[in-house]
Order: sequence, then C-alpha cells, then structure tokens
Amino acid sequence: GENVEQHPSTLSVQEGDSAVIKCTYSDSASNYFPWYKQELGKGPQLIIDIRSNVGEKKDQRIAVTLNKTAKHFSLHITETQPEDSAVYFCAASAGGKSTFGDGTTLTVKP
Amino acid sequence: GAVVSQHPSWVICKSGTSVKIECRSLDFQATTMFWYRQFPKQSLMLMATSNEGSKATYEQGVEKDKFLINHASLTLSTLTVTSAHPEDSSFYICSAPRLGGYGSYEQYFGPGTRLTVT
Repeated sequence: GENVEQHPSTLSVQEGDSAVIKCTYSDSASNYFPWYKQELGKGPQLIIDIRSNVGEKKDQRIAVTLNKTAKHFSLHITETQPEDSAVYFCAASAGGKSTFGDGTTLTVKP
Repeated sequence: GAVVSQHPSWVICKSGTSVKIECRSLDFQATTMFWYRQFPKQSLMLMATSNEGSKATYEQGVEKDKFLINHASLTLSTLTVTSAHPEDSSFYICSAPRLGGYGSYEQYFGPGTRLTVT
C-alpha cells in the first residue's frame, strides 16, 4: 500500500517568514495530492491540491510543487500570519482513497 | 464547492452502548465514502471504505463487527460503534470523493464527530 512521509513534524516561524513542508510517497498510482489544514477540534480543510499532470500550483500565499519522478511534493506558505498556525497534513490519493502524512504543527509567532 | 456533513458533531455515551454517526454528501452523489479515525495529536487513519449497495471494506486491524457501516443511499453512509469502550473515544471523520479534472478524485471531508465513551 501507499506510504506517505511528512517533514518536519513541527515548524516554528516568525510572522512574515516563509514555511515549507515536504512529503514523499511510495505508490506511483497516486495521482492526486491534497494538502489540509486542521485547527483544534475541527475536521481537515482542503487548502490546495495538485494533480499528477501538473508540476506546480499557486493560490495567493500558498503554493504546492510536485516531482513525480522523485515522488515528493511540498507546500510553501509565504508571508505567514498568526492565523496560519495549525496542523497541516499532506495526502497521496488514488481513486479517492487517501493516505495521510503524520502532520506538521506550524506555529507562526507574531 | 462540495459539502459533506456529519451528525452528530459530538457525542458522549456510556461504556457498552452503541453510537451511530451519519455522513451525508449534500450536493453530490457518492457511491463510495471513507471513514477515518483520528486520535489526539495523530494523523487520520483509514478505517473502512463504505460502498453503496454492497459491503464495506475494512482496513487491516479494524473490527467489522464492532464498527458497522451501512451505505444506505448515494448520499448517506452511517458508522455505528457497537458496545463502545473508552478506548473507542476518538475523532471520527468521513469523506466523500468526487471526480474532478483529469480523472482524479477530489476528496471532501465532513466536519468530524468527537466520540467520548465514559
């Protein structure tokens, strides 16, 4: 089955700095790579996604890159704000079934 | 965008009782839904795949007789935790995939149900 590794497990940045979270996956059948933000006591919320036919996608301060050959993908958040503080999960999906990374706790210090 | 609802959002029950959690896709049909469990400070772990009109598929280590899944319609799946015990206390989250562009499925999550067994 699919195996997703996510790094780092915790990340602390100063407000305004950039944050980068990296994931690797093992199953070449995975073709959809979503990123989720989860706040305390709530379900995960999709913040950005990328499909296997695209190498990079950007949405305002958030961008995701995908390297299919190396089987890794990354989340980039620029100009971080305190409200970006949350747990972020990457996932690799095939046929709608997702395998999640272990999560990264991002803390943005004001 | 697609919306998936869950009910209840939280529930407290006594040990030995059963609890039913509903997952609904509100604006699209889902022949398949997924149930995840999340313990505190951990990731989401897939429990089972709910299939409309057929039996659910359970992941290794998940007791199918304890976690009963029924996919009653194209918009509703239910998870029943039978004879609940304190170790079943967790955050249960459902998701429903919808076919997006280029043949890949986008997954939409419900808000989750926090179960506490006393």
